Amino acid sequence: DVKVTQSSRYLVKRTGEKVFLECVQDMDHENMFWYRQDPGLGLRLIYFSYDVKMKEKGDIPEGYSVSREKKERFSLILESASTNQTSMYLCASSSHGQGNYGYTFGSGTRLTVV
Amino acid sequence: QKEVEQNSGPLSVPEGAIASLNCTYSDRGSQSFFWYRQYSGKSPELIMFIYSNGDKEDGRFTAQLNKASQYVSLLIRDSQPSDSATYLCAPWTDSSYKLIFGSGTRLLVRP
Repeated sequence: DVKVTQSSRYLVKRTGEKVFLECVQDMDHENMFWYRQDPGLGLRLIYFSYDVKMKEKGDIPEGYSVSREKKERFSLILESASTNQTSMYLCASSSHGQGNYGYTFGSGTRLTVV
Repeated sequence: QKEVEQNSGPLSVPEGAIASLNCTYSDRGSQSFFWYRQYSGKSPELIMFIYSNGDKEDGRFTAQLNKASQYVSLLIRDSQPSDSATYLCAPWTDSSYKLIFGSGTRLLVRP
């Protein structure tokens, strides 16, 4: 089974802090994604990566950056956390041309910024 | 127009009934279609996918696809209270490597 592991289930950070959310997958997937999910707004794509060191902006990249130095790891960085970044953050991975298998999601990180 | 449209619900059905969840999409290039189930506070989990017109059955779940009408649906037979969750529809286009998610339909199965 593909496993996508997010480093923290719950995080509480202070406004202005730099926050790192880590995601690791163990199935040699090329594509990795970061979403946030808020009530009534659904899943919104922040950034994605289809190869090591490659990244593409999603729909809501402002206030975030990403890093993919190794194929299995995709990090989301909140440069200066703000209260409006309080949300559930979901990491996902998939293989190129994996139209038959979709994404596998991590268990999510619920981030609260105070 | 949103890329993927789902009725937000809640769709309330009695235990044992058939729940019918619907989804329309705008990109005619979409090739595969995924249904995810998401329990409150949890991450989405894949329950079915379909890529050919017609029906695909897996246990109590049936996915139906009509590409000409840009419509995909999920039927849940013999609904159980444990089926109560939000169901997300997500078309896939090979050229973009991405799934596009609908906002989901909340299903409530009454005991």
